[in-house]
Amino acid sequence: EDKVVQSPLSLVVHEGDTVTLNCSYEVTNFRSLLWYKQEKKAPTFLFMLTSSGIEKKSGRLSSILDKKELFSILNITATQTGDSAIYLCAGHSGGSNYKLTFGKGTLLTVNP
Amino acid sequence: NAGVTQTPKFQVLKTGQSMTLQCAQDMNHNSMYWYRQDPGMGLRLIYYSASEGTTDKGEVPNGYNVSRLNKREFSLRLESAAPSQTSVYFCASGRQKKNTGELFFGEGSRLTVL
Repeated sequence: EDKVVQSPLSLVVHEGDTVTLNCSYEVTNFRSLLWYKQEKKAPTFLFMLTSSGIEKKSGRLSSILDKKELFSILNITATQTGDSAIYLCAGHSGGSNYKLTFGKGTLLTVNP
Repeated sequence: NAGVTQTPKFQVLKTGQSMTLQCAQDMNHNSMYWYRQDPGMGLRLIYYSASEGTTDKGEVPNGYNVSRLNKREFSLRLESAAPSQTSVYFCASGRQKKNTGELFFGEGSRLTVL
């Protein structure tokens, strides 16, 4: 059975801090690792990672994948209160069982 | 662009009642999914449909049935609702053939079973 584990489950920081969110995975027919941000409603897509060691970056957010050790990290620098959200990591299984398996998420709270 | 549309957005049921959550996407995606989200549990896959005409169980299928009515629509049915099915339900769709893995989510349906 596919499994995705995120840590920490929750995190409280002050504005301006840098945070690192962790995701380890065991996914059959692994295709990619995805990060989503969820505020009040539906998750919204952040990054998709398919290759080891190649950093994806979007503004203050960045992410990298290690396919040998089966984990990924999401970094957020100079955090803002608007970064407060649940961050979800998901492993994408390809082949005939095309599906995403999500971790439990990390609840990030950024205080002013 | 409507994207993924779910109805209803809110529903309260009594134990034993039945209901169907409707989902439609207008992005011509092959794959569609139903997830449930409970506090501290992330998103758990209930059922998915990799393409029109096929459906498969996910992680937590018990108590649910699905129908892939056509390429656009994927419905989730609770035949006899139980309090343990109180949750927020998300429908999603994705482009299987391009294998990007990115899913597009509806805004969720909050279901309470008393």
